[in-house]
Amino acid sequence: EDKVVQSPLSLVVHEGDTVTLNCSYEVTNFRSLLWYKQEKKAPTFLFMLTSSGIEKKSGRLSSILDKKELFSILNITATQTGDSAIYLCAVRGGSNYKLTFGKGTLLTVNP
Amino acid sequence: GAVVSQHPSWVICKSGTSVKIECRSLDFQATTMFWYRQFPKQSLMLMATSNEGSKATYEQGVEKDKFLINHASLTLSTLTVTSAHPEDSSFYICSGTGGQLISYEQYFGPGTRLTVT
Repeated sequence: EDKVVQSPLSLVVHEGDTVTLNCSYEVTNFRSLLWYKQEKKAPTFLFMLTSSGIEKKSGRLSSILDKKELFSILNITATQTGDSAIYLCAVRGGSNYKLTFGKGTLLTVNP
Repeated sequence: GAVVSQHPSWVICKSGTSVKIECRSLDFQATTMFWYRQFPKQSLMLMATSNEGSKATYEQGVEKDKFLINHASLTLSTLTVTSAHPEDSSFYICSGTGGQLISYEQYFGPGTRLTVT
């Protein structure tokens, strides 16, 4: 059974701090790893990673994948209160488009 | 990015009644749509995968006779919760992929919050 484990489950920081969110996975026939941000509604897409060692960056967010060690990290620098959300990691494997989600990391950024 | 809409955004129904949730891809043809359920403080759990014109594939533990999925067109999929019970109260989210989307990207609808009293 495919498995995605995120850590920590929750994190409280102050504005301006840098955070690192972790995602490890076990999946057959790995295709890609995706990060999503979920506020009060449905998740919004952040990154899709398919190759090891290539950092993807969008503003203050960046992510990298290690396919040998089966994990990915999501970094957020200079955090803002608007970064407060649940960050979900999902892995696609197998022969279809099915995603397996981790439980998410609840990030709270205090002013 | 591609846009997926859901209707209704929230619904309250009485135990024993049926509720239909619509999921529409507004600017792409969703050859594949997914239905997820999310309980409070839990992650998204895939319920079923539907390909346009085919029967849905349900995940283990999801009752196909209770959660009826129809994907009759490339822009519309529906989930009907039949004989709803309070334990079916949850946040239901659909996502779609296909058409001209970058391979394997899924775009999520805004979700439907179902409360069964």
